[in-house]
Amino acid sequence: DVKVTQSSRYLVKRTGEKVFLECVQDMDHENMFWYRQDPGLGLRLIYFSYDVKMKEKGDIPEGYSVSREKKERFSLILESASTNQTSMYLCASSLEGAVQVELFFGEGSRLTVL
Amino acid sequence: DQQVKQNSPSLSVQEGRISILNCDYTNSMFDYFLWYKKYPAEGPTFLISISSIKDKNEDGRFTVFLNKSAKHLSLHIVPSQPGDSAVYFCAGRTSNTGNQFYFGTGTSLTVIP
Repeated sequence: DVKVTQSSRYLVKRTGEKVFLECVQDMDHENMFWYRQDPGLGLRLIYFSYDVKMKEKGDIPEGYSVSREKKERFSLILESASTNQTSMYLCASSLEGAVQVELFFGEGSRLTVL
Repeated sequence: DQQVKQNSPSLSVQEGRISILNCDYTNSMFDYFLWYKKYPAEGPTFLISISSIKDKNEDGRFTVFLNKSAKHLSLHIVPSQPGDSAVYFCAGRTSNTGNQFYFGTGTSLTVIP
């Protein structure tokens, strides 16, 4: 069974702290993504990566960075957390091409910044 | 610029009836469209997809219809069940360098027993 695992389901951090959100997939997918979900705004893409060490900005990259040192792992970093980064963060992965179309999501990480 | 729009934030339907969730898009380069279901505090789960060259795809109680000329798609759930109560997201996929997925804002479906 395919799996995307996010390291933390719930986190509480202070303003200004550095936050790491880790994501691992076991499907050998080329593409990995970080989204945030907020009420009324849907899922917004923060960053994505289509290969190891490659990264591309999504729609809302400000305040975030990412790291993809290995194919299976994609990390989201908040260099200095702010209260407006309180959100549900969703990691996802997909196979390149049309053989398998869908995007597979992790369970999500609910981050609260105080 | 929202490439995928779901204009109905919420929908209530009686158990056993049909639920119809709608989605509009602007990007003609989408090659697939997908529907996801999401419960609170969980990640979205894939429901059904449709290729841009098809106009209908069916999987059990779920059918997706695509009208390319109107840039509109809809998800039909028949019969609706209380367990279908969730937020439903529509997404379009492009196949540029790496696949990219663009999501709508979601429709919260409540199925009333």
